[in-house]
Amino acid sequence: DIQMAQSPSPLSASVGDRVTFTCQASEDISIFLNWYQQKPGKAPRLLIYAASSLESGVSSRFSGGGSGTDFTFTISSLQPEDIATYFCQQYFTLPLTFGGGTQVEIK
Amino acid sequence: QVQLQESGPGLVKPSQTLSLTCTVSGGSISSGDFYWGWLRQPPGQGPEWIAYIYHSGSTYYNPSLKSRLTISVDTSKNQFSLNLSSVTAADTAVYYCVTVNRSCKDGVCYRGVLDSWGQGTLVTVSS
Repeated sequence: DIQMAQSPSPLSASVGDRVTFTCQASEDISIFLNWYQQKPGKAPRLLIYAASSLESGVSSRFSGGGSGTDFTFTISSLQPEDIATYFCQQYFTLPLTFGGGTQVEIK
Repeated sequence: QVQLQESGPGLVKPSQTLSLTCTVSGGSISSGDFYWGWLRQPPGQGPEWIAYIYHSGSTYYNPSLKSRLTISVDTSKNQFSLNLSSVTAADTAVYYCVTVNRSCKDGVCYRGVLDSWGQGTLVTVSS
């Protein structure tokens, strides 16, 4: 199975900060990586697919990048409603696997 | 976007079979647009993929669960279902049904974009 490692967690930042965190795959997954946002008690929500494509209806302050084994997720200006845990997930090969999550907190 | 709703018992005894159903609304399970999947998330952990199925009945299972798993689709009811046998406390989790979409690069497509989720249902395994 492909292992996905996310860092850091937790991540503390102030409202308005530019926030970036990472996801590393244990082998090359090309661009086949998704990012999800999960708020407490809610289902995960797809934000980014294929490493950098923004899902329809998602705020443009979210962006993703990378390919191969190293990926980044950026929030351009952190807002209070962005407080959540963010998961990466690879779909290059089965089984689909997720990272352990980055919990974003307000400083 | 389609809407998904999980249903089933919230409490299952050890060694018994966990059975859940996902009802699809706002679209037809037979449309061929998606595969239909199941994931679970134990308390305080990340999600774990369980399996997905096409309306034709083609199935893909997580090898770690395959020996205990059956998933099926009922196109007449616009539903798909999950059965997990011989459950233990380790199977306690929130179970989600999802749509499984694909993305393509250079003409090669990969399936695994989980773009719609049910609200989830907590299943506790306990005597």
